Amino acid sequence: QKEVEQDPGPLSVPEGAIVSLNCTYSNSAFQYFMWYRQYSRKGPELLMYTYSSGNKEDGRFTAQVDKSSKYISLFIRDSQPSDSATYLCAMKEAGNMLTFGGGTRLMVKP
Amino acid sequence: DVKVTQSSRYLVKRTGEKVFLECVQDMDHENMFWYRQDPGLGLRLIYFSYDVKMKEKGDIPEGYSVSREKKERFSLILESASTNQTSMYLCASSLSLAGRNEQFFGPGTRLTVL
Repeated sequence: QKEVEQDPGPLSVPEGAIVSLNCTYSNSAFQYFMWYRQYSRKGPELLMYTYSSGNKEDGRFTAQVDKSSKYISLFIRDSQPSDSATYLCAMKEAGNMLTFGGGTRLMVKP
Repeated sequence: DVKVTQSSRYLVKRTGEKVFLECVQDMDHENMFWYRQDPGLGLRLIYFSYDVKMKEKGDIPEGYSVSREKKERFSLILESASTNQTSMYLCASSLSLAGRNEQFFGPGTRLTVL
């Protein structure tokens, strides 16, 4: 079993929909939780970061961490075609390297 | 803006060839990383370097080596390329390994080994 599991998709939604992207993990020592966004033919870039449990909101994006369930989510409100990309969750323990999920490909159709 | 550049976007090599992938960052970051990205497997760490001439193995170092002679440059070497090394290779850099260790990625090199 992989340390971080993520549904590969693709997930196809109409413009304006609310999108929910999720990851589950097995390592209870993970403390730092991130979402990277990767456009086609580009490298990933950091989108959201959360330390430990809780929510974080940035514009149309909300990141949630539920450490008791070992589950993290990224919500995108009012999705746009420009949100079409692969979303990678990443997490780490203190002093350790990042562990990435496999990525979910999202397509937002006009 | 942090910029990480990789020497080639696409590369085609033959089995047994020695392959060099070059990465340069312009933000004076201490740490540099090489990953490979395969469908469904996400990013897997091959090697990282926390200082000039210093390197550490990642999760999948077999078949690879690295070189960091200057702070801004980190090279990945495939000593004898094999078909199972066909993949997307991503280089990244970061200022600190502590905390979230935000990494800045290059655009990637898609390597095909025939």
